[in-house]
Amino acid sequence: AQTVTQSQPEMSVQEAETVTLSCTYDTSESDYYLFWYKQPPSRQMILVIRQEAYKQQNATENRFSVNFQKAAKSFSLKISDSQLGDAAMYFCAYRTPLWSGGSNYKLTFGKGTLLTVNP
Amino acid sequence: GAVVSQHPSRVICKSGTSVKIECRSLDFQATTMFWYRQFPKQSLMLMATSNEGSKATYEQGVEKDKFLINHASLTLSTLTVTSAHPEDSSFYICSAAVDRNTEAFFGQGTRLTVV
Repeated sequence: AQTVTQSQPEMSVQEAETVTLSCTYDTSESDYYLFWYKQPPSRQMILVIRQEAYKQQNATENRFSVNFQKAAKSFSLKISDSQLGDAAMYFCAYRTPLWSGGSNYKLTFGKGTLLTVNP
Repeated sequence: GAVVSQHPSRVICKSGTSVKIECRSLDFQATTMFWYRQFPKQSLMLMATSNEGSKATYEQGVEKDKFLINHASLTLSTLTVTSAHPEDSSFYICSAAVDRNTEAFFGQGTRLTVV
């Protein structure tokens, strides 16, 4: 079974600084998707960034970027120029596409990292 | 972007009664909908996966007779918590996918309190 591990229950960063959130996963599949979701105090889940495993290039979305290391099964999220609005719980998630033959297209979440942004 | 609306956002019910939570995809047709439960300061736990017109697939340990899921159309799925007990109090979140190969979009969640 696939597992997702976020080893940092809490992290803090100063406003305008950079922070990196860690995520590792375990899978025997070769094709899959990885996601970072943000859950602010409103508890609305917001997709931050997505990475396809077959793409070697790391995904980037404005101030958010990932460091995807497929061999190491690592998928960290870097937030640059941190803003107060970035404060939230961040979840790393994994799933396989249906076309890969895997039936596990449901999302598997890590336990989350609570990010605090200090002014 | 795709919008998923979940209703109600908060509900309080008496122990022993049933409560229904709706999940609607507003601007797309969802082939698959997922129902999660989230305890305070914890991750999302998948309860069941539903496809339009077929029976939901429940995760191990989830009582299908207690958590009834209906996916009657491509835009609506409902979760009914039957004979609710205080231990069913939790935050319930739905998500909907356009097809199985895209990311799912989440509703706002429902905070259920059983008194």
